[in-house]
Amino acid sequence: DSGVTQTPKHLITATGQRVTLRCSPRSGDLSVYWYQQSLDQGLQFLIQYYNGEERAKGNILERFSAQQFPDLHSELNLSSLELGDSALYFCASSEFWGRGEKLFFGSGTQLSVL
Amino acid sequence: AQKVTQAQTEISVVEKEDVTLDCVYETRDTTYYLFWYKQPPSGELVFLIRRNSFDEQNEISGRYSWNFQKSTSSFNFTITASQVVDSAVYFCALSEGSGGNEKLTFGTGTRLTIIP
Repeated sequence: DSGVTQTPKHLITATGQRVTLRCSPRSGDLSVYWYQQSLDQGLQFLIQYYNGEERAKGNILERFSAQQFPDLHSELNLSSLELGDSALYFCASSEFWGRGEKLFFGSGTQLSVL
Repeated sequence: AQKVTQAQTEISVVEKEDVTLDCVYETRDTTYYLFWYKQPPSGELVFLIRRNSFDEQNEISGRYSWNFQKSTSSFNFTITASQVVDSAVYFCALSEGSGGNEKLTFGTGTRLTIIP
């Protein structure tokens, strides 16, 4: 158990809908990262927050947004969902930020857009 | 060009055989970190090892060993006497950059199947 909690584990929704994925980092970790894993794109970095502030952005679509709250949990919001958004979404956390940080991953949220 | 190349998409070996997973990386940084993560069928990515660019010593942890060679930009992972529990997808990753431009890039993964 990595200590990173993601909810829900599975989500089935329809095109055009909006969903929110939630992540609680390991106790003491200040950084939260979101990754998308799909068969054709592999593991893609979406966005990183450190202590409530956005630190880095990857291949995140404009329809997607995230935030990190004062209690350090994070939410990833996906809107106007398309079939291609179906993927496994991972949250990871690390103690600080920067090159060399070990990331601890949650078990992921499997999103299916029908 | 791929930052992290794992050319072996899938490997199958019989239990107790040794297996090596290849990882080739590309960076212009002199300071960087390399990682291996394991993704078992349960889905969660599990950290295995971190190596910084200044430490080329090979590392052994039980049946696992890692060979880091800067001259060939490779960071290969060997499992000795493989077991069925080693069946998973293994990802190599490169962390580079500094001053707010840090990036962690994963390879496409190697699916390892250990046949009992």
